[in-house]
Amino acid sequence: RKEVEQDPGPFNVPEGATVAFNCTYSNSASQSFFWYRQDCRKEPKLLMSVYSSGNEDGRFTAQLNRASQYISLLIRDSKLSDSATYLCVVEFGSNFGNEKLTFGTGTRLTIIP
Amino acid sequence: DVKVTQSSRYLVKRTGEKVFLECVQDMDHENMFWYRQDPGLGLRLIYFSYDVKMKEKGDIPEGYSVSREKKERFSLILESASTNQTSMYLCASSLTGQFYGYTFGSGTRLTVV
Repeated sequence: RKEVEQDPGPFNVPEGATVAFNCTYSNSASQSFFWYRQDCRKEPKLLMSVYSSGNEDGRFTAQLNRASQYISLLIRDSKLSDSATYLCVVEFGSNFGNEKLTFGTGTRLTIIP
Repeated sequence: DVKVTQSSRYLVKRTGEKVFLECVQDMDHENMFWYRQDPGLGLRLIYFSYDVKMKEKGDIPEGYSVSREKKERFSLILESASTNQTSMYLCASSLTGQFYGYTFGSGTRLTVV
């Protein structure tokens, strides 16, 4: 089983629609969770952290279900500029407070005008 | 803003050459990481370092070594480049104790011919 597994995609979604990505992780001891965004030929950039209570940042909502070891990202009212690859990222193996992250392979999202 | 700078955006090297990829961060981060990113495989951790002169193997260290002589600089070395090391290489850094994910450099696309 992969340590971090994401929806394979690609997702092709009309502008204005709502889209959801899912991700599962294998290490029940993981403490930190993130969604990163990566544009074509660019480096990954932090989109948002994911907290146990769920968190929202504008049109983006992230949810964490520890019991099912499951993370989700919801994008409402999608914009053309949301087209990117979204990476699910989970902390594996902390060492003296230094987190080491494992990345999912990413889900490609294309917003269609 | 934290800046992580990778010395080259594109590199072309010959098989058997020794290759140095340099990464410098300017925000006094303790932790630095080298990943490679390949289509369908996502980001895979090569080596990481939590302190000066300290290094640990990641998931795919074979064929690579690293050097961290100064806190701000983390170098990745390909001892004898091979065609299967053609990839996008990404350096990242993070702060111990206040974990907000990683900040990535813009990447080095290495082609080995």
